[in-house]
Formats: sequence, structure tokens, C-alpha cells
Amino acid sequence: EPEVTQTPSHQVTQMGQEVILRCVPISNHLYFYWYRQILGQKVEFLVSFYNNEISEKSEIFDDQFSVERPDGSNFTLKIRSTKLEDSAMYFCASKSAGQIEAFFGQGTRLTVV
Amino acid sequence: AQSVTQPDIHITVSEGASLELRCNYSYGATPYLFWYVQSPGQGLQLLLKYFSGDTLVQGIKGFEAEFKRSQSSFNLRKPSVHWSDAAEYFCAVAPPVVSDAGNNRKLIWGLGTSLAVNP
Repeated sequence: EPEVTQTPSHQVTQMGQEVILRCVPISNHLYFYWYRQILGQKVEFLVSFYNNEISEKSEIFDDQFSVERPDGSNFTLKIRSTKLEDSAMYFCASKSAGQIEAFFGQGTRLTVV
Repeated sequence: AQSVTQPDIHITVSEGASLELRCNYSYGATPYLFWYVQSPGQGLQLLLKYFSGDTLVQGIKGFEAEFKRSQSSFNLRKPSVHWSDAAEYFCAVAPPVVSDAGNNRKLIWGLGTSLAVNP
């Protein structure tokens, strides 16, 4: 069964460093998402991406964040200068045009120290 | 404001007992409704969904959920819990109409309910 894969599963980075979280969505999907979950808090929408551009982003998704689909298969989330409060589980999701539900990856746990 | 409430942060049940996890939503219209499960070290897996029609929906792993419009609820149930059901359960909603972004349906999530199962 096709699935969304995320790498790495866990990343530790120093405050101020750039990180790139990688996702490989399901191959025929057209809509891509990033969500995050800070420990003990709700899962929060960050950004959606369709037709090679951001279709919607939340207030959390400030200038420190960017997304890219560099090669038609990967979907990346970059945080330019990480802060302690960026520590969270980051989930990638994708869906096709004909679906309402999205399919999620297993998440990347980002720890900023 | 759109929101999802899962009143129970943590529930413990005995194996074989029945289970009900509560979910209430606040939305302008009836949204699309979902339950996801996250087992330790795993991603978010869709258990079931409600879009329209029969208000009792069946999902994977023996779970079902009932949509009650009058109560703005979408409670998850299972008649007999197995030890492997121990996990985090999330209720989520998506808008019933597409946004200007063309079928973009971002999810709004509840806080989650952590389920522990006693042997």
C-alpha cells in the first residue's frame, strides 16, 4: 500500500541552525501539507501546497519557514534559523484531487537545543 | 471560531471492555469529520471518516463512530478493546466546501485522547 514517508524520524539541531525536513508523498497525489504538534498541544496546520505553490499558510508559517517540491517527488519543509519553540513533531500529508482525506507520514521529531 | 474538543485527555480501559471517545466540534456548517490514530512511533492513520449519509460509520480495526448533528458530536466507539488499541486518538474536521485554493482541505484537530489498555 502506498504511503507517505518522512525523513529523518528524529533530528536534533542547535538553535539558529537551518533544518530541512523531507517528505515523499504518495506518487499520484497533488495536494501536500505540513502540520506540527508541539508536545502536549494540538496538531496545527502549517501550510498547504498545490500546483507548485503555497495555497494556504497559517500564522505560524512565518518567513523562517519555506516549502519546496524540488524534483517532483520530494516535498520539503525548511526552517531557516531554528528556535527552541520549533521543537515539535512535524507531519507531512498528501492527498489526491478526488479524495477528501489526507494521508500522513510517521512524522519527524525535531528537537532544538 | 472553528474548533474541535476532545474532553478526555487520558482514558484507561480494561482489555475486552467497551470504549467511547468523545469529540465535539464547533463549525459554521457540518464539516467533514475524521478520526485518526497514532500508535507509539507511528504516523497518523485514518480510522474512519464521515462526509454525508448514514450517521453511523464503520472504520478499520473494529472502530465505528456516530455523527450527531444536534450535539455537534462525532464519538468514536469500539465494543471490545484489544491491548493493541493503546494509542493516541485524534478527532479532526475539514471544511465542507472547498476553499479558494481549490480543494484544499486543511484539518482542524482536537487535542487528542491517550488510550491505555489494562490486561
